[in-house]
Amino acid sequence: DQQVKQNSPSLSVQEGRISILNCDYTNSMFDYFLWYKKYPAEGPTFLISISSIKDKNEDGRFTVFLNKSAKHLSLHIVPSQPGDSAVYFCAASGTSGTYKYIFGTGTRLKVLA
Amino acid sequence: GAGVSQSPSNKVTEKGKDVELRCDPISGHTALYWYRQSLGQGLEFLIYFQGNSAPDKSGLPSDRFSAERTGGSVSTLTIQRTQQEDSAVYLCASSLAENNEQFFGPGTRLTVL
Repeated sequence: DQQVKQNSPSLSVQEGRISILNCDYTNSMFDYFLWYKKYPAEGPTFLISISSIKDKNEDGRFTVFLNKSAKHLSLHIVPSQPGDSAVYFCAASGTSGTYKYIFGTGTRLKVLA
Repeated sequence: GAGVSQSPSNKVTEKGKDVELRCDPISGHTALYWYRQSLGQGLEFLIYFQGNSAPDKSGLPSDRFSAERTGGSVSTLTIQRTQQEDSAVYLCASSLAENNEQFFGPGTRLTVL
């Protein structure tokens, strides 16, 4: 039973355009959400997070939006760069153990030069 | 500074053999986590160590899996009598404390023939 779902396994975007990666979750007890980026042969690296008390968090070119009523979050990358090409995982945690991140299956982003 | 390191980077073993996977967390990080990523799946939480507290083993899939953390630093994940379904990338992460950002190692790719 996938509690965190990333329904798009891959996404291709032209350099300079916006990349939008989506994530849905089923557990309403989740209150903290994160995005990780993973390059081949490397471990995931933390990108950005958002607490459930907010609906938006921005860090440079990266913005995460949270829609609690829809149990949906998205990561926007503007403008997209070729170096952003990687697999992006969303993760969620909740009050049952905030260190237990539940990860989605990932979306492979390819930014075309 | 040095990040999380894992060894070996790749391990091929025969069904029924035991394997040991090693994780060196970032110095000073009190929390250590093990995850695994099977093909086409998200990262699956396995076990969590925090300081001298009893570990949270709730994610271990069977009693063939065990982990220890010696001296609050290096951790070893042991899989006994490996099965083909154990084939996955095993990722270790550490954080400064519970609820802090998790830093991941590059993973160990385990293949059970």
